Amino acid sequence: SAVISQKPSRDICQRGTSLTIQCQVDSQVTMMFWYRQQPGQSLTLIATANQGSEATYESGFVIDKFPISRPNLTFSTLTVSNMSPEDSSIYLCSVPKGPNQYTGELFFGEGSRLTVL
Amino acid sequence: QKEVEQDPGPLSVPEGAIVSLNCTYSNSAFQYFMWYRQYSRKGPELLMYTYSSGNKEDGRFTAQVDKSSKYISLFIRDSQPSDSATYLCARDDMRFGAGTRLTVKP
Repeated sequence: SAVISQKPSRDICQRGTSLTIQCQVDSQVTMMFWYRQQPGQSLTLIATANQGSEATYESGFVIDKFPISRPNLTFSTLTVSNMSPEDSSIYLCSVPKGPNQYTGELFFGEGSRLTVL
Repeated sequence: QKEVEQDPGPLSVPEGAIVSLNCTYSNSAFQYFMWYRQYSRKGPELLMYTYSSGNKEDGRFTAQVDKSSKYISLFIRDSQPSDSATYLCARDDMRFGAGTRLTVKP
């Protein structure tokens, strides 16, 4: 199984500021995924990040609000821009179980718990 | 985006009970279905996956898919307090159900 480390594990931010969340994987993976889990809710896919190309965003999520970087095969960042209280959520990084194939099985990081005041 | 329906519960059972967790889905094109377990303040962990119709068993856990009725089930036998968690079903396009919060009481 992949070991996924996320930083920060939690943060409290002020409205209007931006926060960058880092995701480090202990092995090389082609695809990385970013999810949001709002309080008491399920997981919603934000975007898919492939190394060497622009991230692909799901309906309802835009690059200006959630810019993503994928500089190499083990690392990605998600920035939550111009935050509002509605952005208070857990943000999760995940990778496929098979590093270079897609079966739908995912490994997740521990999540970054963000509170916006 | 959410096309996997799951009863959010909460569900509370006594230790040793058989637990049945269920999801339904609307699009029959999908082949793989997953169950994840999420403990409080932790990321989800992959529990089981099933392909198409049929059962898959792993210890006390059995996953079942009925494609004719578009029904996904997870059964937990001899439930333990350590099984207390939120259980999420998912399709192979990485769409998740709402999750069912389970509490197993000693």
